[in-house]
Amino acid sequence: NAGVTQTPKFQVLKTGQSMTLQCAQDMNHEYMSWYRQDPGMGLRLIHYSVGAGITDQGEVPNGYNVSRSTTEDFPLRLLSAAPSQTSVYFCASSGLAGPRNIQYFGAGTRLSVL
Amino acid sequence: AQSVAQPEDQVNVAEGNPLTVKCTYSVSGNPYLFWYVQYPNRGLQFLLKYITGDNLVKGSYGFEAEFNKSQTSFHLKKPSALVSDSALYFCAVRDLSGSARQLTFGSGTQLTVLP
Repeated sequence: NAGVTQTPKFQVLKTGQSMTLQCAQDMNHEYMSWYRQDPGMGLRLIHYSVGAGITDQGEVPNGYNVSRSTTEDFPLRLLSAAPSQTSVYFCASSGLAGPRNIQYFGAGTRLSVL
Repeated sequence: AQSVAQPEDQVNVAEGNPLTVKCTYSVSGNPYLFWYVQYPNRGLQFLLKYITGDNLVKGSYGFEAEFNKSQTSFHLKKPSALVSDSALYFCAVRDLSGSARQLTFGSGTQLTVLP
């Protein structure tokens, strides 16, 4: 059981470049989300989705786009990378109710924007 | 709005001693509380949760947490610390009465267990 898989693990971009961070889960979870982790700030929610075709903004959505065409995949797109987007990005998934409402995290993508 | 505070950036404890990592929260309704642990270069791993019932919640690796409604706290505890417990610990909260399903995380507490 792979759980939540994120690719790539590391990425270096130049300012203005675009890229997509991939996230896939094999637990049939309805809820998926993207966080960024910065020192001393914990995890901040970027975007989330409660099911295929449904996405919404979190706390820090600017500069990022998401889509959810399938239950399994939830890619995060950086439209025009900026140095302020240097961070570690985590994808998480969970069920929507009861005992399934525990978020499982991927191993993260370390992104540097020069 | 919901929020979480972890007042200590760093906690040091000697191996074999009890440990406590503090967390306080703020929600409009009833809280759904979590503790996660993060080892270096890894994602977050679920430790335990509180939704209702017994105020003392037991979780993975011998950790437990005590829910205190009057103090709006959810401190993480372990009776005897191990060097392998050294990691970054996050408290998180969700408001059960709200429609939003997002978790709000604290800023994290780095636990170091000294041999």
